[in-house]
Formats: sequence, structure tokens, C-alpha cells
Amino acid sequence: AQSVAQPEDQVNVAEGNPLTVKCTYSVSGNPYLFWYVQYPNRGLQFLLKYITGDNLVKGSYGFEAEFNKSQTSFHLKKPSALVSDSALYFCAVRDMHQAGTALIFGKGTTLSVSS
Amino acid sequence: GAVVSQHPSWVICKSGTSVKIECRSLDFQATTMFWYRQFPKQSLMLMATSNEGSKATYEQGVEKDKFLINHASLTLSTLTVTSAHPEDSSFYICSTQRTTNYGYTFGSGTRLTVV
Repeated sequence: AQSVAQPEDQVNVAEGNPLTVKCTYSVSGNPYLFWYVQYPNRGLQFLLKYITGDNLVKGSYGFEAEFNKSQTSFHLKKPSALVSDSALYFCAVRDMHQAGTALIFGKGTTLSVSS
Repeated sequence: GAVVSQHPSWVICKSGTSVKIECRSLDFQATTMFWYRQFPKQSLMLMATSNEGSKATYEQGVEKDKFLINHASLTLSTLTVTSAHPEDSSFYICSTQRTTNYGYTFGSGTRLTVV
């Protein structure tokens, strides 16, 4: 079975500081990995995905994530946080070989950036 | 990019009535649509997968007679919450996948409040 773990319910960081939102996953095969951001009462906005290739993936709004197969992790990072980055962040996974199936989401991490 | 239009964005209904939520793919043919439910500050829980022209596949624990899913065309999938009760109050989100770039697109969500 596929699963995603986001061990932190909330991450607090000061504006201008680097941020990391953690994600680990479990799939039987190779993973497709995604990060999404959600603002209150809104749908999900795509940030980035890892399908194959370079382990460091760069996405929208200055975010990036590094795929680490040995640690089964896909942590989201940003060098300098903005107050506007405050939102709910979801990591999601799908097994590469299960085409046409839904993404499985982690529980979400609330990012709070203080000015 | 791919666009999924979800309506209504919010709805308030009385207990015992039924509510229909629509998801339309505006610029591509969505053979598969996924329906999620999200409780406040919690993760997205997959409810069902609908395939155009066939019966939906429901996740364990989801009542198929309560959450009716119809995917009659390649551009429209609907979720009907029948005989709604206050515990059905939630945020419902649809999603589909463009197989050409492995991306998943999400509707903007529907906030259902049953009073």
C-alpha cells in the first residue's frame, strides 16, 4: 500500500530564513512525488513534482524539493521564506506503475512565516 | 494548462436534502476523475474514482448509495450527496490527471454545510 508521512503538523519560520517541510513516502515500486499548497477554502495549487531524472526538483514560487531514494524522502525547501508562503502544504505520492490511480496525500503541514 | 472547473464553490443545505457537485474539465478529456473529501485542517481522503461510462470505484468505508458519482461524459463528473446530514459537512475536491505530463489538476473545491 502507498502512504505518505508528513511528521510535522506545523512549521514556524521567520521571514527571510530558509524553510523545510518534511515528507517521507512508501510505495511498492518507484514513486511519482508531488507537493501542493492550499490556502483556506481553496483547491490545491501545484508546486512541483518528481517523476524521474535529477533528484533536485525546482518548482513554483522559489520552492524546490530533493528526492532521496535511500531515505524515501522528498522534503520541500525554500532558501528564503516569505510571509505569503504561510499556508497548508501537502506531499503526495503515486506508484509509477499504477497509471490512472489517484494521488495519496500526507496529512499536511501548516507553514507559518512570521514577519 | 489543464483546467478543472468545480461548482458550486460553497453550498448550504438542509438535512435530508441532496446536493450535486459538478466538475468539468475545460480543455481536455478526462477519462478518470477522482473525488476527495477534506475535513478542516486535515488531509484529502480519496472517496472514489470515476471512469467515464462505467461505475465508480469507491474506497473502503465510503457509502456508495450516499455519495453518488456519475461520469457520463469525458468532460463532466458529478458527485451527489444524498439525504445529507450535518456529518456530511466537509470540503469536497475533484481531481483529474493529464497523462501526457503526469500532472494532476484539482478543482477549486466545494464547501458543503448541512444544517
